[in-house]
This record gives sequence, structure tokens and C-alpha cells, in this order.
Amino acid sequence: GQNIDQPTEMTATEGAIVQINCTYQTSGFNGLFWYQQHAGEAPTFLSYNVLDGLEEKGRFSSFLSRSKGYSYLLLKELQMKDSASYLCAGMDSNYQLIWGAGTKLIIKP
Amino acid sequence: DAEITQSPRHKITETGRQVTLACHQTWNHNNMFWYRQDLGHGLRLIHYSYGVQDTNKGEVSDGYSVSRSNTEDLPLTLESAASSQTSVYFCASSTSGDFTGELFFGEGSRLTVL
Repeated sequence: GQNIDQPTEMTATEGAIVQINCTYQTSGFNGLFWYQQHAGEAPTFLSYNVLDGLEEKGRFSSFLSRSKGYSYLLLKELQMKDSASYLCAGMDSNYQLIWGAGTKLIIKP
Repeated sequence: DAEITQSPRHKITETGRQVTLACHQTWNHNNMFWYRQDLGHGLRLIHYSYGVQDTNKGEVSDGYSVSRSNTEDLPLTLESAASSQTSVYFCASSTSGDFTGELFFGEGSRLTVL
């Protein structure tokens, strides 16, 4: 079956770095997405990886290892506004997204 | 600015009633999707459309239907609402053929079935 696993909740300190891991099993693979979702709001796109390696976008970076079925989202210089849920989604061979349940990130001052 | 809007944002209904959730996008996107989001679950795909007159079932389509008569709208209908359909519903759209691009989500419709 298809499955996306990510931690349910993480806590980090303002100004620090946090890494949110995601492991995936999909029928075929057409990329790995990360979305941010603030409480009560819509998800918004953060990143897309289809090749192995690290993609950096400002304070956020996303890494992919296709051989290990593994990705992580790295958030640097954490700000209070980064408190949100982070959704990992793998795209299967039919170009359908398989979503994880999300990681709720709590930032403490 | 282009946008995607859902209505109503909040709806309370009774078991057995028909409910329609509206989704309207001005991005001119061919691809439109309906998801439901429940605590402890990832987003689950209900129905999707790749263009006018095209509709497809997702993994949790039972009890739901959609129609696509124009590019802008994909209404979701619950034929006979059940308590198990209490959820937050998100509509999303993306550009045609650009499956690797981002999904643009509406703000969600919270449905409670009593």
C-alpha cells in the first residue's frame, strides 16, 4: 500500500533549527511535496523535490533521498510565525498526491 | 488577483439532507480537486477534474458527487449527508499538465452533520 509517515508533533525554540522527517511508500514516484498549514487556514506550498539532494529556499530547505524513501524539511532561524502544521505528500505514478497526517510544530520563545 | 473561494465556510446540516459546497477559481486552472481533512488523517482526495466535463473518483468518493460545466467551478454535492461526513473540506486547483506545480487551496468549508 501507499503510506506517508511523519511525526505528529515537534517542539522547538525561537531562533533555533528544526528538521521534520518524512518517509514515504508510493506506487511509483513523481516527487515529494511539503506544504505549510496554519491552524484554521488552507495549506500553502513550500517545496517540491524530484531529484536527490537539497533544495534551499531562504530559511527553508527540503531534502530528498529516493533510494531511502526519505525526505526532510529543515527550518532555520525559527520565528513564532513558523508555528504551523507541515504536510508531507508523495506523488505516485498516476500523479496523485498521497498525504501524511502532518507534523504540528510548536515554537517556544 | 486570481483566487480560489469556497462557500459556505461553515455549514451545519442534518443527516439525510443534500448539501452542496461551492468552489470557484479565477486562476483559469484546468485541474480542480476536492479533499477532506480529518484529525489524524492526511488530506484525502474525494473527486477531481482535469477539465470541463471531466470528473474522476478519488479514494473516498462514496456519498459524494461533482460536476464540471465550466473551467471556474467544481461544486461538491453530498447526496444524503451522514455523520461520518462531518469534516473540513478543501477545494484546490493547479495548472494543466503541471503536476509538479503547486496546488492552490481554498480556505476550507467546515461541515457538521448532526
